[in-house]
Order: sequence, then C-alpha cells, then structure tokens
Amino acid sequence: AQSVAQPEDQVNVAEGNPLTVKCTYSVSGNPYLFWYVQYPNRGLQFLLKYITGDNLVKGSYGFEAEFNKSQTSFHLKKPSALVSDSALYFCAVRDKNQGGKLIFGQGTELSVKP
Amino acid sequence: KAGVTQTPRYLIKTRGQQVTLSCSPISGHRSVSWYQQTPGQGLQFLFEYFSETQRNKGNFPGRFSGRQFSNSRSEMNVSTLELGDSALYLCASSLRAGEQINEQFFGPGTRLTVL
Repeated sequence: AQSVAQPEDQVNVAEGNPLTVKCTYSVSGNPYLFWYVQYPNRGLQFLLKYITGDNLVKGSYGFEAEFNKSQTSFHLKKPSALVSDSALYFCAVRDKNQGGKLIFGQGTELSVKP
Repeated sequence: KAGVTQTPRYLIKTRGQQVTLSCSPISGHRSVSWYQQTPGQGLQFLFEYFSETQRNKGNFPGRFSGRQFSNSRSEMNVSTLELGDSALYLCASSLRAGEQINEQFFGPGTRLTVL
C-alpha cells in the first residue's frame, strides 16, 4: 500500500532562518509527490510536485523540495522563512491504483516567529 | 479563471438528518474529487467523478454518496448524519480523471457540524 509520513507535527522557525518540513513516502514504482499548504479556514493550495527529472523542484512562494529516492524522502524547504509562511503543510502521493486519488500525510504545523 | 467554489461554506445539522454539499470546478476541469478532513483522521479520499461517472471510491460507508452533472459540477450527499461526520469537506478539481501527474486544485471547503 502506498503511504506518506510527516514525522513532525510541528516545526518552529525564526523569521529569516531556513526551514525544512519533512516527508517520507512508501510506494511501488516511481512516485508522484506533491506538497500543499493550508491556511486557517481555507482549502489546500498547491505548492509544487515531483513527477520525474531534476531532484530539486521549485514551487510557489519561494518553496522548493528535494526528492531523494534512496531515502524515500521529499522534504520541503525554503532558504528564508517568513512569518506569513506559518500554516499547515501536507505532503501527498498519488495512488497509482486509484487514478486521481491523493494520499496525504498527517500534516505539519509550521510556525515562524518574528 | 475563477477557482473551485463550494457551497455552503458552513452547515449545522443534527444527527439523523441528511445534507447535500455542492462543488463547482474550475472552468474546463472535468474531474472532481472529494475529501474529508478531520483532526483525528486527517485528509481522507471520498470519491472521484469524471464525465458524470464515479471513477474511484474511498473507504466510507454507503451513507456517503455523490454525483456529477453534465457541466462538471458535483454534489455529495451524506444521509443519516452521525456526530463523527463533523468535518471539513474539500472538493478538488483537475483537468482529467486518472491523470496522476496533474495537481488538483482545492476549494475552500464546507465546514459541517453535526449536533
């Protein structure tokens, strides 16, 4: 079965510091991986995806993610955090056996303090 | 382009009632998926519709059902509501069903509270 894990419920970062939100996956075959962000009382916003190619994927709002096949990880990163980045972040993998279905991690609450 | 819209944004119902939620996808998108978000279970897939046909279904009881219309708008229905059905219900649209490389675009959700 395909699955995604986000080992940290919460990540705290000072504004201006780099941030990392971790994600590991378990899939058969090549994974299709996604990151979404959710602000309070809002739906999910797409940040970036990895399908194939370059292991470093750049996305919206200055975020990037590094795909590491040997470690089965897809960590989300940003060189310099902003207070406005504070939100709930979800890693997801496509379930290849069920078309468009996304399997989500449990989410990581990112808090960026001034 | 307008984003995915969901109505209503908030609903309060009592146990035993039924509820219908509506989703309008992004113009041109023909696939609509539904997810339930709760603090305990996280984000869970309910079902996916394309061309008025249910393509995939998650592990939810038969009380949860949906449909899609010819204009790609979708509704989901929950009958005989239970307290545990209280959740944020999210709708997502994408161009075509089963295209795993394309991202899904989510609406703001409908917050359902069952009393």
